[in-house]
Amino acid sequence: GAGVSQSPRYKVTKRGQDVALRCDPISGHVSLYWYRQALGQGPEFLTYFNYEAQQDKSGLPNDRFSAERPEGSISTLTIQRTEQRDSAMYRCASSLSGGPGNTIYFGEGSWLTVV
Amino acid sequence: DAKTTQPNSMESNEEEPVHLPCNHSTISGTDYIHWYRQLPSQGPEYVIHGLTSNVNNRMASLAIAEDRKSSTLILHRATLRDAAVYYCIPYGGATNKLIFGTGTLLAVQP
Repeated sequence: GAGVSQSPRYKVTKRGQDVALRCDPISGHVSLYWYRQALGQGPEFLTYFNYEAQQDKSGLPNDRFSAERPEGSISTLTIQRTEQRDSAMYRCASSLSGGPGNTIYFGEGSWLTVV
Repeated sequence: DAKTTQPNSMESNEEEPVHLPCNHSTISGTDYIHWYRQLPSQGPEYVIHGLTSNVNNRMASLAIAEDRKSSTLILHRATLRDAAVYYCIPYGGATNKLIFGTGTLLAVQP
């Protein structure tokens, strides 16, 4: 696609439910990143992949959060047993290849509200 | 991770140049200096990046100090659309991810 696509754009869920957020990166992009952003704050790194391999998951807050990218393209961020503190904007980003000389492109985000 | 210091906020008038400073005194020799901005209600948007030499693109210029401990993002003629939070991010192969700080909130007055 033309840009990084995320779905759903908005999700309201009840506390305790599981949610899955999807990211479709720019076609051909090797690296895929997940960030979380609270209101008034900068994006906070969660995890990233090169192809299907999860390279760094140091930013995942706890074991209720997981991410996968099984075929090296689309990725899913799953939050189990959601809590109100999980409410935030979840942003996906991709780059042509890993490495600091590359541009990272961000999607519009998925806004999660846990009630 | 290299620490950055940016002003919390800055103001500019429309059609005037804006110089956004960033200190990154602990930057590693292989870290690139990336600038992203975030307009209200949008995702972060790439602006420019460089390693040692000054860089220009259609959006902005990046001036990097000779010792690489600071850099300045230059918007040559600010427009209302440039009102955003601007993030200066040292980005290196050691971490291989963008770590966002608090950035500079730029207000542009008509």
